[in-house]
Amino acid sequence: AQRVTQPEKLLSVFKGAPVELKCNYSYSGSPELFWYVQYSRQRLQLLLRHISRESIKGFTADLNKGETSFHLKKPFAQEEDSAMYYCALWGAQKLVFGQGTRLTINP
Amino acid sequence: NAGVMQNPRHLVRRRGQEARLRCSPMKGHSHVYWYRQLPEEGLKFMVYLQKENIIDESGMPKERFSAEFPKEGPSILRIQQVVRGDSAAYFCASSPPGQGALMTFGSGTRLTVV
Repeated sequence: AQRVTQPEKLLSVFKGAPVELKCNYSYSGSPELFWYVQYSRQRLQLLLRHISRESIKGFTADLNKGETSFHLKKPFAQEEDSAMYYCALWGAQKLVFGQGTRLTINP
Repeated sequence: NAGVMQNPRHLVRRRGQEARLRCSPMKGHSHVYWYRQLPEEGLKFMVYLQKENIIDESGMPKERFSAEFPKEGPSILRIQQVVRGDSAAYFCASSPPGQGALMTFGSGTRLTVV
């Protein structure tokens, strides 16, 4: 069975500081991993997917199959990055989500 | 393209009543997924439907919950005899055939059972 773990429910950093949101997964097949973001009172939006290897809003994430991780990183946090972030894995025709991390950027 | 439309945005039901949540997928999308988000928890998969077909309902509670996606009209998630524990945000997502990994989410329906 597939499982996604986000160990931090809350993460608070200062503006301009680096950010890393952790995500670990468990899946027997070849994983396809995503990060979603949910800003206050808005719908869930796709932030990035590992196979595209894009950088969106300054965020990047690298799939590490050895450590079964897909951590989300940004070198310099901005106040508008405050939101809920969900890591998700696509497998068996469905997306499985982690519990989410609430990121707060302090001015 | 209006995106995935869910209604109502907020729904209040008394214990024992029925709740009906509607989801209209994006134009051209024939696959629908329902997720539930309990307070302080992540999104949990409930059911995956195609037109007139339930593909995977492994996340649906065994009783009181049902879902359909008819040939015409929106997908409906139905909860009979609601209890306080059903209070949650229910999200629908849709995708084109073969592109489930790129599903688009609606704004959700927040159900409150009083």
